[in-house]
Amino acid sequence: GEDVEQSLFLSVREGDSSVINCTYTDSSSTYLYWYKQEPGAGLQLLTYIFSNMDMKQDQRLTVLLNKKDKHLSLRIADTQTGDSAIYFCAEAGGSYIPTFGRGTSLIVHP
Amino acid sequence: DADVTQTPRNRITKTGKRIMLECSQTKGHDRMYWYRQDPGLGLRLIYYSFDVKDINKGEISDGYSVSRQAQAKFSLSLESAIPNQTALYFCATSEPDRPQETQYFGPGTRLLVL
Repeated sequence: GEDVEQSLFLSVREGDSSVINCTYTDSSSTYLYWYKQEPGAGLQLLTYIFSNMDMKQDQRLTVLLNKKDKHLSLRIADTQTGDSAIYFCAEAGGSYIPTFGRGTSLIVHP
Repeated sequence: DADVTQTPRNRITKTGKRIMLECSQTKGHDRMYWYRQDPGLGLRLIYYSFDVKDINKGEISDGYSVSRQAQAKFSLSLESAIPNQTALYFCATSEPDRPQETQYFGPGTRLLVL
């Protein structure tokens, strides 16, 4: 079955860039997503990328997709303490029901 | 007002009890989902419904049942709760035919089974 892998923790200093990586196995993935979960809250869509794109930029966020290697990354520029959260990578194919990774806890310290 | 609401937000129950978690949405979406979140395991799909007459099992449906009472309401039941069902439960909705099929999550229900 489909599998989405991501590291569990990332610690960065405020002002630095954060890069969260994700790998997936389903070659028929149509959409790839990054969701953010703040403490005590549900997940919120942060950004998504269509499988025929290799990059998407939205303000401080840059998503890179390497479809050949099935690798997705999320770069957050100028990371702030408010970016501390759990970030979930997810992929969806034809059914559009996403498969989520285990989540990466981003810790931003001064 | 929140678009996707869940009740209760927190629940403590005992092994063997039947409990129901409720989800309501005002987004007008046909598709609704129930997930559970466990530390280090991410989100796992329990059940999903693409419309009122359509109910499907997800990855981990054993020990759970659902009811889609209306387009706006989707309930999750634990017929006989057991401790390993202790988790954070999320309801979500999505809108069909949108290119990116974004999921909209409720705030979650934290369930503790003693």
